[in-house]
Amino acid sequence: AQSVTQPDIHITVSEGASLELRCNYSYGATPYLFWYVQSPGQGLQLLLKYFSGDTLVQGIKGFEAEFKRSQSSFNLRKPSVHWSDAAEYFCAVAPFSGGYNKLIFGAGTRLAVHP
Amino acid sequence: DVKVTQSSRYLVKRTGEKVFLECVQDMDHENMFWYRQDPGLGLRLIYFSYDVKMKEKGDIPEGYSVSREKKERFSLILESASTNQTSMYLCASSFEGGTYEQYFGPGTRLTVT
Repeated sequence: AQSVTQPDIHITVSEGASLELRCNYSYGATPYLFWYVQSPGQGLQLLLKYFSGDTLVQGIKGFEAEFKRSQSSFNLRKPSVHWSDAAEYFCAVAPFSGGYNKLIFGAGTRLAVHP
Repeated sequence: DVKVTQSSRYLVKRTGEKVFLECVQDMDHENMFWYRQDPGLGLRLIYFSYDVKMKEKGDIPEGYSVSREKKERFSLILESASTNQTSMYLCASSFEGGTYEQYFGPGTRLTVT
């Protein structure tokens, strides 16, 4: 079945530490890939997206993500986490198909940042 | 900047009431979406619309209906609210044939008692 998996439900890091959030998908062809962030009580904000080309994409707020076709993964990284990065992070895919750009979301990873 | 607004941030309704959640976008997007967000389940698509008066069921349409009479406005309707519809509801919009990027509203937290 087609799915998006975020294996880590909760992650806690110290401020200044590096961060990697995992995302795996299972689709026949490479979909379009996204990472969104949701701060408490807010809607979702797009961090970055991958369609084609360079497999390392840069986003806002100092985040980057790397697409690895062989592993069907699109992991999000940040070299030094700030307290304001505490939020919930969602990986999403837009499967390659004709249609209306529906997104399939993972269950999310909640990030806590210790001072 | 794209702006997607939702009529209420918080809503409390009683079981059996008819509930309207409204969403407005200001970027002339063709596509609009309603999602439901529950802990541990991520976002699940309820309905989407790809044009005025056009709609298609998402993954969890049961108990919901939608209306899109104008391009900028997409309404989600709970015909008879039930306690299992207590959730966060998120509206989003996107260009047709664009980069598949969806823009989200702030969400409506609905409690059905």
